Amino acid sequence: QKEVEQNSGPLSVPEGAIASLNCTYSDRGSQSFFWYRQYSGKSPELIMFIYSNGDKEDGRFTAQLNKASQYVSLLIRDSQPSDSATYLCAVNIDGAGNMLTFGGGTRLMVKP
Amino acid sequence: GAVVSQHPSWVICKSGTSVKIECRSLDFQATTMFWYRQFPKQSLMLMATSNEGSKATYEQGVEKDKFLINHASLTLSTLTVTSAHPEDSSFYICSARGGGFDEQFFGPGTRLTVL
Repeated sequence: QKEVEQNSGPLSVPEGAIASLNCTYSDRGSQSFFWYRQYSGKSPELIMFIYSNGDKEDGRFTAQLNKASQYVSLLIRDSQPSDSATYLCAVNIDGAGNMLTFGGGTRLMVKP
Repeated sequence: GAVVSQHPSWVICKSGTSVKIECRSLDFQATTMFWYRQFPKQSLMLMATSNEGSKATYEQGVEKDKFLINHASLTLSTLTVTSAHPEDSSFYICSARGGGFDEQFFGPGTRLTVL
């Protein structure tokens, strides 16, 4: 079992819809969770991070964390074609120091 | 957020040559830097972690004699691909952590093509 799992997609949503991206992790002691966006041919850029159970909102983005279920998600409201990218979930596995463990990424396609 | 730069952004070299890639944190002190490699349509693969002033920690399967990492200062880490071969062609990305930030900030990446 991979430590951080994501559905590779592609996830296709119409413009203006809510895109829901999911990530599960295996280490129950994980403390920090990050969502990165990566456009094709570019390096990842941080969207947001979450540490506590519940929701964290930043503009059109909402991160949701459920440590009991070992599940973190990213919701993108009012999806735009410019949101089309690969979204990477990253987890700071307990005991791994500064290292992040990345999921394989979910490719999102927002169709006009 | 913090800014991380990489140089060069792309490089083409002949097989057998060595290539050095620089990673700099521009506005914060990076206590830890990470080097990743990404092949087309694949996810990031961590190659090594380096802390300023100490030897890098390499991930399993990464040859430390082939991929030399130096983190001599709090703002600069270098990755040298020695005796590069076509199979080393990839997108190399560094990231940095420090300056009170928990997250890693990524450089723009270096695309290496070995002919």
